[in-house]
Amino acid sequence: GQQLNQSPQSMFIQEGEDVSMNCTSSSIFNTWLWYKQDPGEGPVLLIALYKAGELTSNGRLTAQFGITRKDSFLNISASIPSDVGIYFCAGQAAAGYNTDKLIFGTGTRLQVFP
Amino acid sequence: NAGVTQTPKFRVLKTGQSMTLLCAQDMNHEYMYWYRQDPGMGLRLIHYSVGEGTTAKGEVPDGYNVSRLKKQNFLLGLESAAPSQTSVYFCASSYEPVNQPQHFGDGTRLSIL
Repeated sequence: GQQLNQSPQSMFIQEGEDVSMNCTSSSIFNTWLWYKQDPGEGPVLLIALYKAGELTSNGRLTAQFGITRKDSFLNISASIPSDVGIYFCAGQAAAGYNTDKLIFGTGTRLQVFP
Repeated sequence: NAGVTQTPKFRVLKTGQSMTLLCAQDMNHEYMYWYRQDPGMGLRLIHYSVGEGTTAKGEVPDGYNVSRLKKQNFLLGLESAAPSQTSVYFCASSYEPVNQPQHFGDGTRLSIL
């Protein structure tokens, strides 16, 4: 089946720093989504991307749909303590197995130190 | 302003027992989903529903059954629980488009001994 490689697996940063994480696929995707999960809670949808090259912001968060359609990036500017959590990418493949299903990455665990 | 509510929050079962997890949403969403989350892995889709009275298989449907008799409720059943089904289960819903869950519940932590 399809697989998503999300990196890095974890990040430890200082408050105020910018953060970058990415997600890559072995095949072309039509949709990329980014979620955040706080401890003990369900994921929350942050940003949805539907077109190659699309750049979308949500406050201090910016995500991009890679032009090759095989990757996506999430940036967080000026991190704050409440940014702590696990960030998941998810994508919907354009062709092949499971094209109607959303596939999740394994997550990037973010820790922010004051 | 409940959103998606899952019950129970925790449960411990013995191998072979059965149980039903309940998901309720108050947003009048058409689409509902059941996922499982295991350590080191992303969420995996078990079953989903595109409307009242409909269900469809996801990525890992074996050992689970679902029903959507009412639009606001989506039930996940384990007929004969196995240790491999120990996981955290999340329900989600969305208005559109299909297969892009927007609202998740807080999860049900299920342990099978």
